[in-house]
Amino acid sequence: DAMVIQNPRYQVTQFGKPVTLSCSQTLNHNVMYWYQQKSSQAPKLLFHYYDKDFNNEADTPDNFQSRRPNTSFCFLDIRSPGLGDAAMYLCATSRDRLAGYNEQFFGPGTRLTVL
Amino acid sequence: AQSVAQPEDQVNVAEGNPLTVKCTYSVSGNPYLFWYVQYPNRGLQFLLKYITGDNLVKGSYGFEAEFNKSQTSFHLKKPSALVSDSALYFCAVRDEMWGSARQLTFGSGTQLTVLP
Repeated sequence: DAMVIQNPRYQVTQFGKPVTLSCSQTLNHNVMYWYQQKSSQAPKLLFHYYDKDFNNEADTPDNFQSRRPNTSFCFLDIRSPGLGDAAMYLCATSRDRLAGYNEQFFGPGTRLTVL
Repeated sequence: AQSVAQPEDQVNVAEGNPLTVKCTYSVSGNPYLFWYVQYPNRGLQFLLKYITGDNLVKGSYGFEAEFNKSQTSFHLKKPSALVSDSALYFCAVRDEMWGSARQLTFGSGTQLTVLP
């Protein structure tokens, strides 16, 4: 089945120690998104890629970076995690950003704990 | 601006009874409306969407939603609730006039509990 895969499912890091979360997709979708979700709140969009075109949300801290080396993979790098960055990180894809009515397909998420 | 409201943090319903999860929206143009469900420690799962046309939209797992333009609502419904429907439900909207220039706006979520 075509899907969105996130690894690892659970990640523990130390305060200030860089961490990378990964996402891969077999859907061949143009657009990939990274969301942060805290405590059953609404997901908060951090940034998205349309193909190789990177789009950062205005309020995303500089501490968060992303890479998309090819269509299938996207990475979220947190350069110096703080306690406030503990959250569920969700990767999502959609077929084409230009069509605003396309639904997003989400991965299972990575739960990040910062000690 | 686009916004969406889910007025109920929590909805409880008995198994076998009909359920409704409420959603209202605000957009400048026409809305694209979505419902997603999230089970514990999982990502969001797409249930259904309204783009245009028939106001009653049918989706996965027996869910449906009714688009009401005059009331700016898009309530999620199911005729007979199952215990397995217990989850967190998110409504989301995108304003057609902005197309891809604006991302989805999610509601705050409604926790549905179906009691056996």
